[in-house]
Amino acid sequence: AQSVTQLGSHVSVSEGALVLLRCNYSSSVPPYLFWYVQYPNQGLQLLLKYTTGATLVKGINGFEAEFKKSETSFHLTKPSAHMSDAAEYFCAVILTGGFKTIFGAGTRLFVKA
Amino acid sequence: DTAVSQTPKYLVTQMGNDKSIKCEQNLGHDTMYWYKQDSKKFLKIMFSYNNKELIINETVPNRFSPKSPDKAHLNLHINSLELGDSAVYFCASSTGSPNTEAFFGQGTRLTVV
Repeated sequence: AQSVTQLGSHVSVSEGALVLLRCNYSSSVPPYLFWYVQYPNQGLQLLLKYTTGATLVKGINGFEAEFKKSETSFHLTKPSAHMSDAAEYFCAVILTGGFKTIFGAGTRLFVKA
Repeated sequence: DTAVSQTPKYLVTQMGNDKSIKCEQNLGHDTMYWYKQDSKKFLKIMFSYNNKELIINETVPNRFSPKSPDKAHLNLHINSLELGDSAVYFCASSTGSPNTEAFFGQGTRLTVV
């Protein structure tokens, strides 16, 4: 069965510091992997996705993620955190067929001034 | 020009009542979903519809009844509301292809008192 694990329900960084949010997946087939962001009182929006091709994927707002098959990981990074990055981040995998997205439990990112 | 819109945004109601949440998408997508987000931000799929047909029903109590009058609309009706139904409900849509992301509405915060 496919699943997604996000390590750390809360991550706190200082403004300007590196952001690293961890995601590991389990899948019996090559997965399609996504990162979504949810700002307070809003719906989810896509940050970036990996489907095929280049394993380093760039997204919006300076975020990027690297698909590492050997580690079954898809960690999200940003070189320098901004206050506006404070939000909930979800890693997700789509099951074959496209009709079901499985989300990780989410990681709340806090950015300190 | 909202891509996925759901109404109402907030819903406060008493136990035992029946309520509906409406969702519309103008993206031309074939697939629509309902997700439930609990107080710990955990997202769980409830239903998935493709071309107005129910594809996924994730063991949701039968008090919850989705209805898709056409591909652009997926409404959620809830009978005999219980305290445990309090959550944020998100509607989403996608092409249904496994390599494409879902687009989410802003959510409906349901509070049962």
